[in-house]
Amino acid sequence: SQQGEEDPQALSIQEGENATMNCSYKTSINNLQWYRQNSGRGLVHLILIRSNEREKHSGRLRVTLDTSKKSSSLLITASRAADTASYFCATDKNDYKLSFGAGTTVTVRA
Amino acid sequence: DADVTQTPRNRITKTGKRIMLECSQTKGHDRMYWYRQDPGLGLRLIYYSFDVKDINKGEISDGYSVSRQAQAKFSLSLESAIPNQTALYFCATSDLSGYQSDTQYFGPGTRLTVL
Repeated sequence: SQQGEEDPQALSIQEGENATMNCSYKTSINNLQWYRQNSGRGLVHLILIRSNEREKHSGRLRVTLDTSKKSSSLLITASRAADTASYFCATDKNDYKLSFGAGTTVTVRA
Repeated sequence: DADVTQTPRNRITKTGKRIMLECSQTKGHDRMYWYRQDPGLGLRLIYYSFDVKDINKGEISDGYSVSRQAQAKFSLSLESAIPNQTALYFCATSDLSGYQSDTQYFGPGTRLTVL
């Protein structure tokens, strides 16, 4: 069964706008990771946030983690056409492996 | 050259055939994983290995087997392929980092179609 659930399933935005997607999970975690997948290709790691962290930044990406609500959000600022992809959250439940959600598909319109 | 490679990249086979998907990595990582991806379901873990002598089943291992031939090589076999094994298959690696799961590095995927 999947640990993480992304919301929304799909998102369409104009270039230059911000994109926000959320991930909810069910059990306590060691860390939560976000990955990007361009159409049909392998996943690429974006950012890892540990359970004792609340916010992390990487370039135009901002990730928050609220362990009390068992949720995380990924914000992409000033989106570009190259940001068109599917985004997955993955949780580490202290069992040495990751559980992936079903993903959010983001389309950035020119 | 890519750090994690998968062969073949595409494969069409018939029901009942045995096939092997191969994964090689040059990252020097101990941990290797096999996932399958189906539309709308994200990635599901088939098998994982933390070193050459350590093989573990994931959430959907039925119908699959694996072999860790060396630190750098991890193969996935479908002993008798069936149509519902049609999917995109990914190999991934990660470094040994204590009790937490670290970043995973993915191969480009193998698109398998079982007719």
